[in-house]
Amino acid sequence: SQQGEEDPQALSIQEGENATMNCSYKTSINNLQWYRQNSGRGLVHLILIRSNEREKHSGRLRVTLDTSKKSSSLLITASRAADTASYFCATGYNAGKSTFGDGTTLTVKP
Amino acid sequence: NAGVMQNPRHLVRRRGQEARLRCSPMKGHSHVYWYRQLPEEGLKFMVYLQKENIIDESGMPKERFSAEFPKEGPSILRIQQVVRGDSAAYFCASSPETGTGANVLTFGAGSRLTVL
Repeated sequence: SQQGEEDPQALSIQEGENATMNCSYKTSINNLQWYRQNSGRGLVHLILIRSNEREKHSGRLRVTLDTSKKSSSLLITASRAADTASYFCATGYNAGKSTFGDGTTLTVKP
Repeated sequence: NAGVMQNPRHLVRRRGQEARLRCSPMKGHSHVYWYRQLPEEGLKFMVYLQKENIIDESGMPKERFSAEFPKEGPSILRIQQVVRGDSAAYFCASSPETGTGANVLTFGAGSRLTVL
């Protein structure tokens, strides 16, 4: 079964608004990461949260993790047109592979 | 620090030919991962390698696909007798050896394979 399923699949907002994306997963993890992918490019790591953490901040990014619900959210505050991209969550258990979802495509209109 | 280097960036093959994709990990990184991405989809894990060892190949198709990461030189993903369904973007990522139980991946720009 697919780990790290994001929703919504697509999100369109105005510049300055906040964007929230969610990720659900099925099996045990000890870390969850969010990545961004601009069209036609590779993925860029944004933030990592471990299973013993509930919330983490990095600049305009806020990530939460609820291991009881097997879900995570990514909040981008005060969005900019440059935030337009696809966002993926990736789940991992110890060292080894990370499993990605199908992503949320975010469009920020200027 | 050049990051993760993948080549070729674009590769066109006819059905039945072989495709070889190369990946040089970031300096100091000893772990290499290959992922495949179809249009409008997420990344699907294929294989995880360390130098001279395949650690996890649970995502590799059983036939026609192989990967290696030799002691010297880049990691290579080889697809023999390509079919149209192999057309995709293939991403390589690398990570350092960590004892922290989480591998943060640095991705290359990808190799886009088109099978005619």
